[in-house]
Amino acid sequence: NAGVTQTPKFRVLKTGQSMTLLCAQDMNHEYMYWYRQDPGMGLRLIHYSVGEGTTAKGEVPDGYNVSRLKKQNFLLGLESAAPSQTSVYFCASTSLAGLYNEQFFGPGTRLTVL
Amino acid sequence: KQEVTQIPAALSVPEGENLVLNCSFTDSAIYNLQWFRQDPGKGLTSLLLIQSSQREQTSGRLNASLDKSSGRSTLYIAASQPGDSATYLCAVRGGNTPLVFGKGTRLSVIA
Repeated sequence: NAGVTQTPKFRVLKTGQSMTLLCAQDMNHEYMYWYRQDPGMGLRLIHYSVGEGTTAKGEVPDGYNVSRLKKQNFLLGLESAAPSQTSVYFCASTSLAGLYNEQFFGPGTRLTVL
Repeated sequence: KQEVTQIPAALSVPEGENLVLNCSFTDSAIYNLQWFRQDPGKGLTSLLLIQSSQREQTSGRLNASLDKSSGRSTLYIAASQPGDSATYLCAVRGGNTPLVFGKGTRLSVIA
């Protein structure tokens, strides 16, 4: 039982390049989330999903897109990376009873945009 | 809009001391509150989850309390150890909204 995993762990991009971050969970959780963490700003929600095929915007969605084609995977895409997107990205998941249950986090992806 | 505040932002204590970390939130209509630990360069590890109907939860040397009506929670760490050094994050869940996080308290326990 691996929990929540993220790929890749580190990445350096040039401005304007695109990339996709992959999050996978093996706990059969319905809810999945993408956060970014920046110094002094705390954790901010980018997008989330309440089930396969559904996505919703969080606090800071601009410049990102997401897809949830399979229940166990949640992809975060950057179509044209900007230096302001340099951050640590965390994925998380929780069960359908997520209002009452714990949220589990992946180890993070450290992204640098030059 | 729910806002979560953690005070202090940083704390340094000698080993063996008991300590309290504070968390406050603006909207008392929450389902639960969760305390996390984050080590440098790592992800978040869940420490304790308190449901809105509960007053406290305990795990080993950790005790978390919740006063929903006043919008406050505390995390009590007994007999602190250098291995407790980390950033501690508080997060609340209300209604159908995802978790809202505080900015954390960075704890250093000095041997």
